[in-house]
Amino acid sequence: AQSVTQPDIHITVSEGASLELRCNYSYGATPYLFWYVQSPGQGLQLLLKYFSGDTLVQGIKGFEAEFKRSQSSFNLRKPSVHWSDAAEYFCAVGATASGTYKYIFGTGTRLKVLA
Amino acid sequence: NAGVTQTPKFQVLKTGQSMTLQCAQDMNHEYMSWYRQDPGMGLRLIHYSVGAGITDQGEVPNGYNVSRSTTEDFPLRLLSAAPSQTSVYFCASSYQTGAPNQPQHFGDGTRLSIL
Repeated sequence: AQSVTQPDIHITVSEGASLELRCNYSYGATPYLFWYVQSPGQGLQLLLKYFSGDTLVQGIKGFEAEFKRSQSSFNLRKPSVHWSDAAEYFCAVGATASGTYKYIFGTGTRLKVLA
Repeated sequence: NAGVTQTPKFQVLKTGQSMTLQCAQDMNHEYMSWYRQDPGMGLRLIHYSVGAGITDQGEVPNGYNVSRSTTEDFPLRLLSAAPSQTSVYFCASSYQTGAPNQPQHFGDGTRLSIL
């Protein structure tokens, strides 16, 4: 069955420090992968997506993610975190099933940024 | 451009009451879906639709009904509200290209409390 795992429930970093949020997926075919960010009281906003080609993808707000097929991972990174990056981050995979498709989300990682 | 609009933003119900959460999108997206978000559980798919007149169940469909009479609207009905349905509900939509490679656009959510 398709699944997405985000092993870190909470992460705290200092402003200006680098960030890596982990995401592992389970899917038999070529995955379509997404990272979303959710600010408090808001819906989810797309940060970046990957389906093929270059395994390092750039997104909005200075984020990037690297797809590693051998590790079934799609980790999100940012070289220098800003206080406004404090939010919850969700990894998702688009999966085909029974002639249609659906999106499966991880449980999220809540990021706290220390001044 | 309104994107995905959800109403109401907040609602309190008594156990056993019924209600409809509204979702409308103005992007001519064929694919629409409903999720519930609970602490520590990420987003779980309730129902989804790949076009007008076509709906299917997601991961947690019990207690909910949907219909899709137009491309724009995808209402979610709670038949007889239960405290376990206290949650934040998100509607999302995306283009349908035959593969799950399109990011979803999310509404701002409906916060529902069942007493």
